[in-house]
Amino acid sequence: AQKVTQAQTEISVVEKEDVTLDCVYETRDTTYYLFWYKQPPSGELVFLIRRNSFDEQNEISGRYSWNFQKSTSSFNFTITASQVVDSAVYFCALSPINFNKFYFGSGTKLNVKP
Amino acid sequence: EPEVTQTPSHQVTQMGQEVILRCVPISNHLYFYWYRQILGQKVEFLVSFYNNEISEKSEIFDDQFSVERPDGSNFTLKIRSTKLEDSAMYFCATDPSSYEQYFGPGTRLTVT
Repeated sequence: AQKVTQAQTEISVVEKEDVTLDCVYETRDTTYYLFWYKQPPSGELVFLIRRNSFDEQNEISGRYSWNFQKSTSSFNFTITASQVVDSAVYFCALSPINFNKFYFGSGTKLNVKP
Repeated sequence: EPEVTQTPSHQVTQMGQEVILRCVPISNHLYFYWYRQILGQKVEFLVSFYNNEISEKSEIFDDQFSVERPDGSNFTLKIRSTKLEDSAMYFCATDPSSYEQYFGPGTRLTVT
């Protein structure tokens, strides 16, 4: 069975704080992809990152960084020096290697206060 | 940059009516998907479509739903006899070759 768990329903931080969004997944597949999407209040899904299960290197993109640990089935997302514009719902998702469908977590709502 | 478009952005319909949600995929994309997001909940897979037929569908995608690509460009989701619980945001996604899904902006369906 495939499943993505985002245990943090909502997080509130003050601008410039660092924040980590947790994602834990379950899959029997040996190869798969993991994703993070941002959903701002306007509702669209904005792609942030894709990671395949072979690549456990952490990735940094500006203020964003991702920590993939296959041993703990986790793919956590950290925003450094958060900004008000980071306020959104963030979804973690899992896909089989053939991309035939995505399994989304329930999302974490991030509130960044000025 | 090419993007997936969806029309309408918001559809209001009465219970029992049929609705058609439209998606224009990115040119040359071969794989198409519909997802649903009930307000405040997670995004749920409905159906995938490739080579003019359904590849996979979820338990949500019952006989009330159908998909087609009528003219080789638009990809449509039809909901027959809508129910209140069909109210949700419906996202189309397209994929060039089983590589990465590009999501459209969504259609908000409100069933009254």
